Amino acid sequence: EIVLTQSPATLSLSPGERATLSCRASQSVSSYLAWYQQKPGQAPRLLIYDASNRATGIPARFSGSGSGTDFTLTISSLEPEDFAVYYCQQRSDWPPWTFGQGTKVEIK
Amino acid sequence: QVQLVESGGGVVQPGRSLRLSCAASGFTFSSSGMHWVRQAPGKGLEWVAAIWYDGSNKYYADSVKGRFTISRDNSKNTLYLQMNSLRAEDTAVYYCTKRGLLLYFDLWGRGTLVTVSS
Repeated sequence: EIVLTQSPATLSLSPGERATLSCRASQSVSSYLAWYQQKPGQAPRLLIYDASNRATGIPARFSGSGSGTDFTLTISSLEPEDFAVYYCQQRSDWPPWTFGQGTKVEIK
Repeated sequence: QVQLVESGGGVVQPGRSLRLSCAASGFTFSSSGMHWVRQAPGKGLEWVAAIWYDGSNKYYADSVKGRFTISRDNSKNTLYLQMNSLRAEDTAVYYCTKRGLLLYFDLWGRGTLVTVSS
């Protein structure tokens, strides 16, 4: 089973600041990694797929990078609606399809 | 309207059973792989089960294998999760999700809460 480890657990930032979230895989997942955003009381939403591609309707301030075992989600300038929990997920080796434990981006 | 709507959650005693349903609309359900993902209170996302578009393949997380069964009725555009021998650790919001052409989970329901408690 591929284990995804996200860091940091919590990121405290102000609106307008840059957010950098990390996801590390226990073995290579090539580029088969996605990022999801989840707001309180809501279902997750697909943001980034195959490491660096934005899903339909996702603003350009969200970008993803990485391959192999190290991945990054960057939010270039935080908007109020971006404060949420973010999860990475791999589809390289399944079952199981695995998620990271999440990074909470909170208002400083 | 493209959506997934879960139902069937509730409070159930340990050892009992529950069946969840997920009604799909607005897309070709019979062509879509479907999954269940759960989230325990205050915790992260945990994949539970998957079923191929035609029901030919099914996969389960080790934590539910032998107790949960995923199925679908393409004539009713509905996904199911039969949960037997429920345990306290199965308490979670259960989400129905579609695996899209990009092979990630591109559509999610709002979830249904299952509470296992005596």
